[in-house]
Amino acid sequence: DVKVTQSSRYLVKRTGEKVFLECVQDMDHENMFWYRQDPGLGLRLIYFSYDVKMKEKGDIPEGYSVSREKKERFSLILESASTNQTSMYLCASSLGPEIYGYTFGSGTRLTVV
Amino acid sequence: TQLLEQSPQFLSIQEGENLTVYCNSSSVFSSLQWYRQEPGEGPVLLVTVVTGGEVKKLKRLTFQFGDARKDSSLHITAAQPGDTGLYLCAGAAGSARQLTFGSGTQLTVLP
Repeated sequence: DVKVTQSSRYLVKRTGEKVFLECVQDMDHENMFWYRQDPGLGLRLIYFSYDVKMKEKGDIPEGYSVSREKKERFSLILESASTNQTSMYLCASSLGPEIYGYTFGSGTRLTVV
Repeated sequence: TQLLEQSPQFLSIQEGENLTVYCNSSSVFSSLQWYRQEPGEGPVLLVTVVTGGEVKKLKRLTFQFGDARKDSSLHITAAQPGDTGLYLCAGAAGSARQLTFGSGTQLTVLP
């Protein structure tokens, strides 16, 4: 069964810590995405990548960076975690979003205290 | 930035009732998708519609893409408790490599 795996389901970090969220897909997809999901705000795109070592900013990239050294892995980095980054983080991959849509991971619920 | 507005935001109904969820935009989309998300999980793709006026059926769920490709609806017939979840619409526009999501409709079907 094809899937997107996020390394942690729940994570609690302290303000100022550097946080790594890992995402791995086994479908050989070129496109990978990081979203955050907050009540009333829907899914907001942080960063996406359409090829190895390529990255593009989404709608809310401030405070985040990403790394894609291998096709199957897309990492989201919170350089210095803040309480307003407490959220559900969703990783997705796609063969082509327009026709094939996204396959999402189960999400990482991050709490910054 | 293309926006997708979903309505209603919350919907609570009894088992067996019918319901419709709407997804509207002022922008044209090349395709539109519907996802369902259950608590603690990521969204799961239900359907993709690509042609204006297209209607797709998935068991008790009927999806329609507007003629002008700016809006879509999801109709559920005889809702069941297993239909409970967050329903999200998402659109692909032109050459954009990513999807724009609506804010979602939280559906609760009571037994």
